[in-house]
Amino acid sequence: EAGVVQSPRYKIIEKKQPVAFWCNPISGHNTLYWYLQNLGQGPELLIRYENEEAVDDSQLPKDRFSAERLKGVDSTLKIQPAELGDSAVYLCASSTRAGEGETQYFGPGTRLLVL
Amino acid sequence: KQEVTQIPAALSVPEGENLVLNCSFTDSAIYNLQWFRQDPGKGLTSLLLIQSSQREQTSGRLNASLDKSSGRSTLYIAASQPGDSATYLCAVRLDGGSQGNLIFGKGTKLSVKP
Repeated sequence: EAGVVQSPRYKIIEKKQPVAFWCNPISGHNTLYWYLQNLGQGPELLIRYENEEAVDDSQLPKDRFSAERLKGVDSTLKIQPAELGDSAVYLCASSTRAGEGETQYFGPGTRLLVL
Repeated sequence: KQEVTQIPAALSVPEGENLVLNCSFTDSAIYNLQWFRQDPGKGLTSLLLIQSSQREQTSGRLNASLDKSSGRSTLYIAASQPGDSATYLCAVRLDGGSQGNLIFGKGTKLSVKP
């Protein structure tokens, strides 16, 4: 079974430029998560989707970040414009559902460096 | 606000030692607690998930315990191997309206020396 796929794996951009990350969850997983992980820290949730609906985006900085999950499968996370402080790893995860026994499966992440 | 703390931040042990990683959380109203492993440049891999009604879970050389009332969990690794070297993250899943949201600790970076 293929795991969670993310691309690109690495991205270097200059500040004020836009950037987008793509995630393909495990087939059949209805719930999709985007996390931000700074160096030496644990992941922090940015947004959670149930199918195509964003059910929790309270931690997403909406002035510059946006996300979409068309057709309830793949998802894209965008930053525009990027700032120096956005340099981090962006992780995507998926699960069958958001329930007590569910396990989240993580992708390898996209490592972003903003210069 | 739920906070998750992991001690120690880093640990170096010789191969073959048994070791314990600690995790504490401030709010005992959790759905479950998970232990993850993260290798450099990789995503997270779930090791063990303990539901709020359980006290412990075991998988191979790993044993995780949960004391919900005191806000503590431990991950016990028996007979450590160099391949166990990684960062171990503890995460609690919130109770109530934020179902599915995990709150992570900063992790413990483990190094097992041959």
